[in-house]
Amino acid sequence: EDQVTQSPEALRLQEGESSSLNCSYTVSGLRGLFWYRQDPGKGPEFLFTLYSAGEEKEKERLKATLTKKESFLHITAPKPEDSATYLCAVQGSSNTGKLIFGQGTTLQVKP
Amino acid sequence: SAVISQKPSRDICQRGTSLTIQCQVDSQVTMMFWYRQQPGQSLTLIATANQGSEATYESGFVIDKFPISRPNLTFSTLTVSNMSPEDSSIYLCSLSSGGNEQFFGPGTRLTVL
Repeated sequence: EDQVTQSPEALRLQEGESSSLNCSYTVSGLRGLFWYRQDPGKGPEFLFTLYSAGEEKEKERLKATLTKKESFLHITAPKPEDSATYLCAVQGSSNTGKLIFGQGTTLQVKP
Repeated sequence: SAVISQKPSRDICQRGTSLTIQCQVDSQVTMMFWYRQQPGQSLTLIATANQGSEATYESGFVIDKFPISRPNLTFSTLTVSNMSPEDSSIYLCSLSSGGNEQFFGPGTRLTVL
């Protein structure tokens, strides 16, 4: 069964304090691993897609990496506006379009 | 990228009633999906809305409870039928525009009393 586990559940950082969020997954034939940002009361906002081990994607202070069993979302020198819930999802080869989501990591960045 | 809107944005409903949620996209898309996000939980796929045919439901979700329509390539509705407090959730539509990634609407926050 496809499964996604994210850690930690919650993370508090000081502004400028870099850290990483973890997404561990098991899936039958990975078609893609996706990172989303979700602000309170809003729908998830797409950040990255990763397709194969070793792949990396960057956007501003965020960098996503992928291995065969997990993905990391590295946040460099975060700012208060980076505060949000970050969701990881996978799509397996046995499913048509279905995304399996993790529980998310809620990040709070204090000024 | 496509602009996705949902109506209503939120609603408070009585037990036993039904609510229809609309999802409108400003361009034609092949695949549309409906997800549920229960309080404090992550997203779970309810069904894939297929244009011109019946929706494909995930395990644990049935058509009688969550009927879905997809009359064209820019519009879909999800009805939550015979509601109970356990149906209180955020309901989200998403689309896939050709790639594997999905883009989500703003969601409909439903509270059932």
